[in-house]
Amino acid sequence: GNSVTQMEGPVTLSEEAFLTINCTYTATGYPSLFWYVQYPGEGLQLLLKATKADDKGSNKGFEATYRKETTSFHLEKGSVQVSDSAVYFCALSTTSGTYKYIFGTGTRLKVLA
Amino acid sequence: SQTIHQWPATLVQPVGSPLSLECTVEGTSNPNLYWYRQAAGRGLQLLFYSVGIGQISSEVPQNLSASRPQDRQFILSSKKLLLSDSGFYLCAFSRGFDEQFFGPGTRLTVL
Repeated sequence: GNSVTQMEGPVTLSEEAFLTINCTYTATGYPSLFWYVQYPGEGLQLLLKATKADDKGSNKGFEATYRKETTSFHLEKGSVQVSDSAVYFCALSTTSGTYKYIFGTGTRLKVLA
Repeated sequence: SQTIHQWPATLVQPVGSPLSLECTVEGTSNPNLYWYRQAAGRGLQLLFYSVGIGQISSEVPQNLSASRPQDRQFILSSKKLLLSDSGFYLCAFSRGFDEQFFGPGTRLTVL
């Protein structure tokens, strides 16, 4: 079946450090892939997405590339800020059958000044 | 533009009391609608989803139910709340297989 695995947190970084949050997936067909961010007490917001292999999604300095050969969609940012502290979720949408989304368990990021 | 509303924002209810959470969507028609629950510090658990009026798919058998009386309205209910129903409830919508848009959430505490 479809699944998403992302690295366990929490991840603690100093401001301006490089960020990588790993995400791998298992899916049939050609899913779309997403990264969402959740700030404390709020709903999830779409951070970026990619709909086909080799697509790169980017937003607010964050990037992720849809790698079909490694079934991965790792999130990266070159220089994190304190305001990036949040929980990050990797997700996929299936392209057949039901209109369901599969989410990873979330990775909490804490950035220290 | 598309927006999604949820209310109430917070709710404290005694065990055994009923529950009704409402979600409405604006700016789009015939959306797919979803209810998720998020326990403290945990990931998302899909509870229900709907692809049309009156069409509800349940993912987790429990004492919750969902209804979609109108195209852009999705309601989560319970006749008798349990302590384990406490959590952060999120409503979301999507168009087809594109990204989901999430509401602000309802923090439910059952005492």
